[in-house]
Amino acid sequence: GAVVSQHPSWVICKSGTSVKIECRSLDFQATTMFWYRQFPKQSLMLMATSNEGSKATYEQGVEKDKFLINHASLTLSTLTVTSAHPEDSSFYICSARRTQSSYNEQFFGPGTRLTVL
Amino acid sequence: KQEVTQIPAALSVPEGENLVLNCSFTDSAIYNLQWFRQDPGKGLTSLLLIQSSQREQTSGRLNASLDKSSGRSTLYIAASQPGDSATYLCAVLTGGGNKLTFGTGTQLKVEL
Repeated sequence: GAVVSQHPSWVICKSGTSVKIECRSLDFQATTMFWYRQFPKQSLMLMATSNEGSKATYEQGVEKDKFLINHASLTLSTLTVTSAHPEDSSFYICSARRTQSSYNEQFFGPGTRLTVL
Repeated sequence: KQEVTQIPAALSVPEGENLVLNCSFTDSAIYNLQWFRQDPGKGLTSLLLIQSSQREQTSGRLNASLDKSSGRSTLYIAASQPGDSATYLCAVLTGGGNKLTFGTGTQLKVEL
């Protein structure tokens, strides 16, 4: 159990367009999901914490109007990169935490590679 | 602000060798520490999770230890194999159990 999927696995788009990435917990409910970004040869950086039914909490330096997060159900969170630019090209990874978790363990998706031309 | 550092940044060893990867963190008020493996262009595979009250965890050829007071963890890999080649990341959970801070990673190459 504890499988997290992401869709799409990769996407190429033109500068100025918006891209939506989905994160799903397939076999468990997740009140909280997390979005990370990883630039080449760097580690993962937390962008925001997504809570089902409420607004996301963004880390310092992350523009909430640019990275729109929606967590409409206990199994789905979406990240929309609005008006994407080449500097937004990165590997985006989500994770999900079980609604009832005694260990606060996060389960990670396989990631989405975004390339903005 | 929690900072996580991993040493070495890169490591190349011959097959069969035992090796140790190091992780240090600046704020000892953690909920748990986790070791992950990441293959190139892929997501994360969780290897071991150590709760703050625990000292070590073992899974197969892997053993992770935690010394919370000194802000250190080690990942021991026994009898390394070429399939172990990957980047290994450690991460600590803080911030009310919400914030996972990742280390800089150790890129491991096990050669035949």
